[in-house]
Amino acid sequence: DAGVIQSPRHEVTEMGQEVTLRCKPISGHDYLFWYRQTMMRGLELLIYFNNNVPIDDSGMPEDRFSAKMPNASFSTLKIQPSEPRDSAVYFCASSLDSTWQSMVDTGELFFGEGSRLTVL
Amino acid sequence: AQKVTQAQTEISVVEKEDVTLDCVYETRDTTYYLFWYKQPPSGELVFLIRRNSFDEQNEISGRYSWNFQKSTSSFNFTITASQVVDSAVYFCALSYRDDKIIFGKGTRLHILP
Repeated sequence: DAGVIQSPRHEVTEMGQEVTLRCKPISGHDYLFWYRQTMMRGLELLIYFNNNVPIDDSGMPEDRFSAKMPNASFSTLKIQPSEPRDSAVYFCASSLDSTWQSMVDTGELFFGEGSRLTVL
Repeated sequence: AQKVTQAQTEISVVEKEDVTLDCVYETRDTTYYLFWYKQPPSGELVFLIRRNSFDEQNEISGRYSWNFQKSTSSFNFTITASQVVDSAVYFCALSYRDDKIIFGKGTRLHILP
């Protein structure tokens, strides 16, 4: 079975440019999460969706960041305009069921390989 | 405030030694979940365990074991007879009240041959 697929794996762009990161969750998973990883701040939850609906976006740093999930098999994280401080590895993860409520599932998050973004 | 602290930033041990990774959490909730994830050099995070706040039994899985103590708000992870393949960054995480999972900053573990 294919895991969570992210693209691009690496992106180098210049400050001010628009960046779009893409994610395909595991088929049948109801939850999708976007995380950002930096040395200074570790892994930060940006936003998560349940059945394509954004549930909590309180971790989105500012209005330059936006995320969408138009259907169950695709999500995007967009940064416009990008800034050097946005340089990080962005992870997408999906889970079959609620990590909180599931009594039958392990509540495991399945992570993609990440998209490494460098903004010059 | 909800928080996960992994005080050990980096640890190096020689192969076959036992090593314990510490995790201390803070939450006001009585119901919560704790997790450990492994991030090998390839970068992808891999789930190791989930434990709910009502189950304080220790867990053992092969060379891995976890010690959950509510009295000290700790959920420590021990690798017995470490191997070079255990070299990775290990994250402890906390889920409370909903599906938000917050992670500690991770402990980078080096297993030296």
